[in-house]
Amino acid sequence: DAKTTQPPSMDCAEGRAANLPCNHSTISGNEYVYWYRQIHSQGPQYIIHGLKNNETNEMASLIITEDRKSSTLILPHATLRDTAVYYCIVRGLMDNFNKFYFGSGTKLNVKP
Amino acid sequence: DSGVTQTPKHLITATGQRVTLRCSPRSGDLSVYWYQQSLDQGLQFLIQYYNGEERAKGNILERFSAQQFPDLHSELNLSSLELGDSALYFCASSPRTGAGNEQFFGPGTRLTVL
Repeated sequence: DAKTTQPPSMDCAEGRAANLPCNHSTISGNEYVYWYRQIHSQGPQYIIHGLKNNETNEMASLIITEDRKSSTLILPHATLRDTAVYYCIVRGLMDNFNKFYFGSGTKLNVKP
Repeated sequence: DSGVTQTPKHLITATGQRVTLRCSPRSGDLSVYWYQQSLDQGLQFLIQYYNGEERAKGNILERFSAQQFPDLHSELNLSSLELGDSALYFCASSPRTGAGNEQFFGPGTRLTVL
């Protein structure tokens, strides 16, 4: 499986956009990029995923570079409740890789 | 609320004992995944079942086993427990197998081994 690299922590002011980067330089053509977050010790929460194109939903936007070696998760208007650990995961199509490697993630601190 | 339920929420037991953790997937989801999260290891994938059959294995110890029943609920059995097995255990479900399907996680079971 392709590995991901994320900064260990980031700060963001409440109401501003939070841009969380992820490097996945060894990603292969059939691997998806997923983002999850975990608030305190709760179960991880699905945010968004994509393959090649940029994606947007009610929670966030996912920008994937053209060469697919990196991506950015954008929370357009961060709130204090968005403080969490954010995981960027790369996942392949084959059943043998039908599992998630969560890595260490980025701890996002949203400050008033 | 993801729709995935796990019981019990907390479990305290002694070394050498055996426990069973239960997971009910979201309605209609055929695939169930188990994960372990300990302080020093992060979130580790253990095992996946799809429609009653084992589909993928991760870092699951031989002392641990799982199964998925005809009603699609799953149980994770942990035996000969050691102090190091203390962790949060999460179950997740998805509609099908395959990389394009997001997983929805339950609230977890916190296991403490004394």
